Amino acid sequence: QLQLQESGPGLVKPSETLSLTCTVSGGSISSSSYYWGWIRQPPGKGLEWIGSIYYSGSTYYNPSLKSRVTISVDTSKNQFSLKLSSVTAADTAVYYCARQHSNRRDGYNLFFDYWGQGTLVTVSS
Amino acid sequence: QSVLTQPPSVSGAPGQRVTISCTGSSSNIGAGYDVHWYQQLPGTAPKLLIYGNSNRPSGVPDRFSGSKSGTSASLAITGLQAEDEADYYCQSYDSSLSGPWVFGGGTKLTVL
Repeated sequence: QLQLQESGPGLVKPSETLSLTCTVSGGSISSSSYYWGWIRQPPGKGLEWIGSIYYSGSTYYNPSLKSRVTISVDTSKNQFSLKLSSVTAADTAVYYCARQHSNRRDGYNLFFDYWGQGTLVTVSS
Repeated sequence: QSVLTQPPSVSGAPGQRVTISCTGSSSNIGAGYDVHWYQQLPGTAPKLLIYGNSNRPSGVPDRFSGSKSGTSASLAITGLQAEDEADYYCQSYDSSLSGPWVFGGGTKLTVL
């Protein structure tokens, strides 16, 4: 059974960089069938897609966050990571990592079929 | 402002049928891209409920069904149960500057 687990600091100071890692177990992050994504959810609000990465290293970012986001993959550790720079209180949220898959075998109609439990990151001094 | 528009809330009595709409545009649902649905129970991570417009993952009851027409999609829940009380989100691909992957704003389902 595939499992994803987010890890990283739960508290980040304003203007600093938020860094999270997602460890994948029960499956290989190097599979050509999947993408790997980050989604966040501010307290009491909806889901926002942050960005995704393919095992080859190709990345896709939410245009509204693109200037501050970097997603990378470490296939040797079966992990992928998120860095969000210059954070403010508006970046306070539960951050989820998830696997993306498409039953149409294309790079468009992808859905998130496995999710991590999420980790709350608070931006505060 | 989400690219995909959902009603903030819907409600229904146990045993009833409810539908949740997801309205998009010509750059996402109207362009033929699939719609997927997620259920988020309080305090938990979202769970995939419907993929590819109308397909249910293994383990999802057939009380849940999805459909798509034009620039909109719908999630229907029949035989409403108390355990269905949750937030529901649609998701699709968007070819405009909002994408590529976008979520609806979410709908809170209350079982009366």
